[in-house]
Amino acid sequence: SYVLTQPPSFSVAPGKTARITCGGNNIGSKSVHWYQQKPGQAPVLVIYYDSDRPSGIPERFSGSNSGNTATLIISRVEAGDEADYYCQVWDRSSDHWVFGGGTKLTVL
Amino acid sequence: EVQLLESGGGLVQPGGSLRLSCAASGFTFSSYAMTWVRQAPGKGLEWVSVISGSGDITYYADSVKGRFTISRDNSKNTLYLQMNSLRAEDTAVYYCAKQMTTVTTGGDYWGQGTLVTVSS
Repeated sequence: SYVLTQPPSFSVAPGKTARITCGGNNIGSKSVHWYQQKPGQAPVLVIYYDSDRPSGIPERFSGSNSGNTATLIISRVEAGDEADYYCQVWDRSSDHWVFGGGTKLTVL
Repeated sequence: EVQLLESGGGLVQPGGSLRLSCAASGFTFSSYAMTWVRQAPGKGLEWVSVISGSGDITYYADSVKGRFTISRDNSKNTLYLQMNSLRAEDTAVYYCAKQMTTVTTGGDYWGQGTLVTVSS
């Protein structure tokens, strides 16, 4: 089955840029979605189809996807961005949704 | 405004059954695929099942296939998850989510979740 690998944690200072990776075999050939989840809350879609941003999501959130790595980029990080972030793809070979293990973003 | 409200969670013994519901509003329910995702305490997100807008296409995670059944009633704008032969490892918050369009697209709106606890 298809596996997505994320670093368990990432720390960044306020105002800096956070790049959260999601690794998978030839993930560049798939569409990647990213979710933000704050404690006690439901996930929120922050990036879809690799780099599109839903309405209401700040322009500070962007994404890229190429080769074996997809990346969620958060510019000018704020304290309110502290959350768990999950990547997701549709695996056509198994007709399954696959989530990465999640990355806990800590704002120092 | 899109709203998704899950219900039906609770405490159930191992081997028991439970049916979750997800009442949807604010969009044309029958036009969108819907999915169930769960999250065990302190763990990450795990996809459970997805169903097409018409209900004719369904897919399941290997961990629940043969035990869980996803369905929908488009006349009632409601999504269901029938869970049988429940195990301790099924303990989780269960979220329903609206897909952007089809079963292969991401979830753009999520409910607040309902907790299922499987324990004797």
